[in-house]
Amino acid sequence: AQKITQTQPGMFVQEKEAVTLDCTYDTSDPSYGLFWYKQPSSGEMIFLIYQGSYDQQNATEGRYSLNFQKARKSANLVISASQLGDSAMYFCAMREGGLTGANSKLTFGKGITLSVRP
Amino acid sequence: GAVVSQHPSWVICKSGTSVKIECRSLDFQATTMFWYRQFPKQSLMLMATSNEGSKATYEQGVEKDKFLINHASLTLSTLTVTSAHPEDSSFYICSASVAGGLRFFGPGTRLTVL
Repeated sequence: AQKITQTQPGMFVQEKEAVTLDCTYDTSDPSYGLFWYKQPSSGEMIFLIYQGSYDQQNATEGRYSLNFQKARKSANLVISASQLGDSAMYFCAMREGGLTGANSKLTFGKGITLSVRP
Repeated sequence: GAVVSQHPSWVICKSGTSVKIECRSLDFQATTMFWYRQFPKQSLMLMATSNEGSKATYEQGVEKDKFLINHASLTLSTLTVTSAHPEDSSFYICSASVAGGLRFFGPGTRLTVL
């Protein structure tokens, strides 16, 4: 079974509107971390937001928020007030094991392409 | 966030030659670094986990004699693609762990083998 599932092949959003990118995960480890990264056409992986499995509140970073629903094993990324520069590939990833899992690898989903229309 | 650099950002080489890619953590020490490769329109696939002062741990299906990894210091890990062939052409990205479990990535190296 896939550990990280991103099923939306491509998303379109109008500039200034909000958009939700879906991510579901599968793990039996009680301690894990969930990440979202943005990859523009240049290829660099830009860290957006992180949610730990024991975090009580949903993570937020500026225009990015993570809708963490532990029972459903979902960690959707919400981008508010979309900008043209948000057009990119977005990857959800999970780290399993340990409180910080410094040596644990990240497992990535297949990614979602987001296009922001002017 | 923490800064991770990679060098070179792109390289073109002839088939049969070896290519070395460097990954550096610029403002922190990274005991563990990770090497990924990414084909166009695909996700990142982990190749190996690099630990400072010890041998790298390779993922299943990754040839350790082909992809040599050296993590000689707390700020530098290198990936050497030995006897590169066109099928090795890919985007190679390194990542480093920071305190608290966050992961930051280098800008990537685009390798083209002719």
